[in-house]
Amino acid sequence: QSALTQPASVSGSPRQSITISCTGTTSDIGGYNYVSWFQQHPGKAPKLMIYDVSNRPSGVSDRFSGSKSGNTASLTISGLQAEDEADYYCSSYTSSNTLVFGGGTKLTVL
Amino acid sequence: EVQVVESGGGLVQPGGSLRLSCAASGFTFSNYWMHWVRQAPGEGLMWVSRISSDGTNSRYADSVKGRFTISRDNAKNTLYLQINSLRAEDTAVYHCARDRWGFGFLDLWGRGTLVTASA
Repeated sequence: QSALTQPASVSGSPRQSITISCTGTTSDIGGYNYVSWFQQHPGKAPKLMIYDVSNRPSGVSDRFSGSKSGNTASLTISGLQAEDEADYYCSSYTSSNTLVFGGGTKLTVL
Repeated sequence: EVQVVESGGGLVQPGGSLRLSCAASGFTFSNYWMHWVRQAPGEGLMWVSRISSDGTNSRYADSVKGRFTISRDNAKNTLYLQINSLRAEDTAVYHCARDRWGFGFLDLWGRGTLVTASA
């Protein structure tokens, strides 16, 4: 059950777009379309932003989008805003009927 | 209000035990799979365990298998995590989260309860 691989940090200026990658294996990301992305502000509970690779829950801004290619999933945030500064985590369902998270990516809005 | 609220955390000596609870309200608890996810201080999220909506199917992360037991009481709308043989590396905030289908749609999280394993 190795954690999915995410970059430790990314940054971007307001109104720009950024992409966070999440790399796994054929036993998790590559094998299923059950990738989720979560946003977590300091001291707060995680918030679901994307599920099933590319679907947004009700109430989540359409500036957030997800995709997958092979064993790598990606989260793109367009039109960066100050409030997007947070930690972002990917997760995937696995062949062991478990979940696995990525190590997290700290997004800084410059 | 739709929410889940964790309780039961605290300071426990290594090797000790405690039981965490997660009280659900505002939704039909018995329709949802439930997960425990923990976060060590300053670290990322780590999936711990999950249980099916009827309580018959459960899974664990390798690092807690044999020491942690997940269970639920649908009549009481409550999820539990029994933690035994506590280790220093189990120190973390433990969150419960609901999942409609069991594949990672964790759309409702609690604020968590802090477990500290220390002598």
